Amino acid sequence: EDKVVQSPLSLVVHEGDTVTLNCSYEVTNFRSLLWYKQEKKAPTFLFMLTSSGIEKKSGRLSSILDKKELFSILNITATQTGDSAIYLCAASGGGADGLTFGKGTHLIIQP
Amino acid sequence: DGGITQSPKYLFRKEGQNVTLSCEQNLNHDAMYWYRQDPGQGLRLIYYSQIVNDFQKGDIAEGYSVSREKKESFPLTVTSAQKNPTAFYLCASSIGGNYQPQHFGDGTRLSIL
Repeated sequence: EDKVVQSPLSLVVHEGDTVTLNCSYEVTNFRSLLWYKQEKKAPTFLFMLTSSGIEKKSGRLSSILDKKELFSILNITATQTGDSAIYLCAASGGGADGLTFGKGTHLIIQP
Repeated sequence: DGGITQSPKYLFRKEGQNVTLSCEQNLNHDAMYWYRQDPGQGLRLIYYSQIVNDFQKGDIAEGYSVSREKKESFPLTVTSAQKNPTAFYLCASSIGGNYQPQHFGDGTRLSIL
């Protein structure tokens, strides 16, 4: 059975701190790993990673994939209160079915 | 603007009642998906469709049904056989294939009366 595990499940830091969110996966015929940010409603797409060792970056957010060790990390530098959200990691593979999601990391940024 | 529209935002179901959640997209995406999200849990796949008039069960399809008569529309019916329907339901779409990201609607929150 496909599985995605995120850690930590919750994290409270102060504004300006740097955080690292972890995601490990076991997915048959792995194709890609995706990160989403969920505030109140729809998860919004952040990154899709398909190749090992290539960092994707968007502003203060960056992510990298290690296909040998089967994990990914999402880094957020100089955190702001607007970064408070649930960060979801998902993996795709095994044909044309949907994504397998982790439980998410609930990140709270305190002013 | 292109996007995914889910309606209603909130829905209440009585015992023994079937209810239908709407999902419409104008992104010209081939693939559409339904997920269920429970508190403290990740999203779990209910049904997906890669093409019109074809759909497949996901991990938790029991008690749900779908149709895909038009490319833009993928309604989900929560039947009375689904004994624990209270959850947040999210619809997603993608161009198709596992190398394309899925994009989500704003969700429907379903509760039992």
